[in-house]
Amino acid sequence: AQRVTQPEKLLSVFKGAPVELKCNYSYSGSPELFWYVQYSRQRLQLLLRHISRESIKGFTADLNKGETSFHLKKPFAQEEDSAMYYCALSGRGQGGKLIFGQGTELSVKP
Amino acid sequence: EAGVVQSPRYKIIEKKQPVAFWCNPISGHNTLYWYLQNLGQGPELLIRYENEEAVDDSQLPKDRFSAERLKGVDSTLKIQPAELGDSAVYLCASSFGGGPEETQYFGPGTRLLVL
Repeated sequence: AQRVTQPEKLLSVFKGAPVELKCNYSYSGSPELFWYVQYSRQRLQLLLRHISRESIKGFTADLNKGETSFHLKKPFAQEEDSAMYYCALSGRGQGGKLIFGQGTELSVKP
Repeated sequence: EAGVVQSPRYKIIEKKQPVAFWCNPISGHNTLYWYLQNLGQGPELLIRYENEEAVDDSQLPKDRFSAERLKGVDSTLKIQPAELGDSAVYLCASSFGGGPEETQYFGPGTRLLVL
């Protein structure tokens, strides 16, 4: 079955602390992995995708096919990083259909 | 660029009433998606259009839900009759193409409350 699991509903850290949002997936094939973010009162938007291997707003994510994980990391959290983060996967043959995890709310305290 | 436009933003209806949601995708985007987001959950795909053709409607509850994209641009999602469990956020997204490499751009959503 195709599934994305985000084990933490809420993650609370202090400003300047490292943050890691966990994402595990189940997919029979070669998946495309994404992180989407939704800031307060804003629409859902793409943060990064594994295939582009880029760092956005200091966030990075590495696809680990052995552990079927795609954890999102940032070395020094900022208050403006507080948001809902969704991990999602798609793949060839899915036609762009995204399968989302339940989301993790990140709260960065001053 | 206004992005994906959805209306209404909020809707409150009584159960068994019909309701319709409208979506205008980003200009030039051929692919349009409708997602359902229940409280505390991630979005789930209801239907995907390539131009005016519904190419994936396997998760659309066809007994009460219907959708159309007549001219391959705007789309309407309808529920008739609405049930209490339909209370959720309905998201529309669009992309230039339909492959996983294409970025999906989401609208603000329509928040439906069924009483």
